[in-house]
Amino acid sequence: GEKVEQHESTLSVREGDSAVINCTYTDTASSYFPWYKQEAGKSLHFVIDIRSNVDRKQSQRLIVLLDKKAKRFSLHITATQPEDSAIYFCAASKGITGNTGKLIFGLGTTLQVQP
Amino acid sequence: DMKVTQMPRYLIKRMGENVLLECGQDMSHETMYWYRQDPGLGLQLIYISYDVDSNSEGDIPKGYRVSRKKREHFSLILDSAKTNQTSVYFCASSLGGGQDTQYFGPGTRLLVL
Repeated sequence: GEKVEQHESTLSVREGDSAVINCTYTDTASSYFPWYKQEAGKSLHFVIDIRSNVDRKQSQRLIVLLDKKAKRFSLHITATQPEDSAIYFCAASKGITGNTGKLIFGLGTTLQVQP
Repeated sequence: DMKVTQMPRYLIKRMGENVLLECGQDMSHETMYWYRQDPGLGLQLIYISYDVDSNSEGDIPKGYRVSRKKREHFSLILDSAKTNQTSVYFCASSLGGGQDTQYFGPGTRLLVL
């Protein structure tokens, strides 16, 4: 079945540097790619998403890139701050046609931003 | 204020006991989900509900059942809990299907002894 792989299980950066988290997916029918953030001991919350009709999306310090040919998408966090430290999950879902409502999640990347 | 609530937040049960986890949302979302999160396994979908009495198995439904009698409320039931069901359980809701943002509840930490 569909799989989503997160390449980095942990990532450590210095405050102010950029962080990049990479994910790949297997199902070519996937067309929706959200990212979720989970701070220590807390729940997940949505941070940004990208749909397959675009290859780049930015929201303040967050940039998502999508390479459909390589079946790869990535989250770029620029000018990192200590409060960016968290686990980040990528996910993938199919389009409206044949959509079952399921998100397939990666295993998560723990980002540590060192002051 | 968009909110997903879960009760209880912490629960300790003995093996063989029944467990009821409750989830509510105030956004009139059609779709609701139950996940469990375990170290090294990420989030695993247990059940998905598309509306009242319209439930579908997720990836790991064995040992669980669900009930959705009102759109705003979704329950997860463990009949005769097992120690390997010790986990953190998250409920989520979304307006519609897989391309809508999922809003997660705070989670329930379940320990089965």
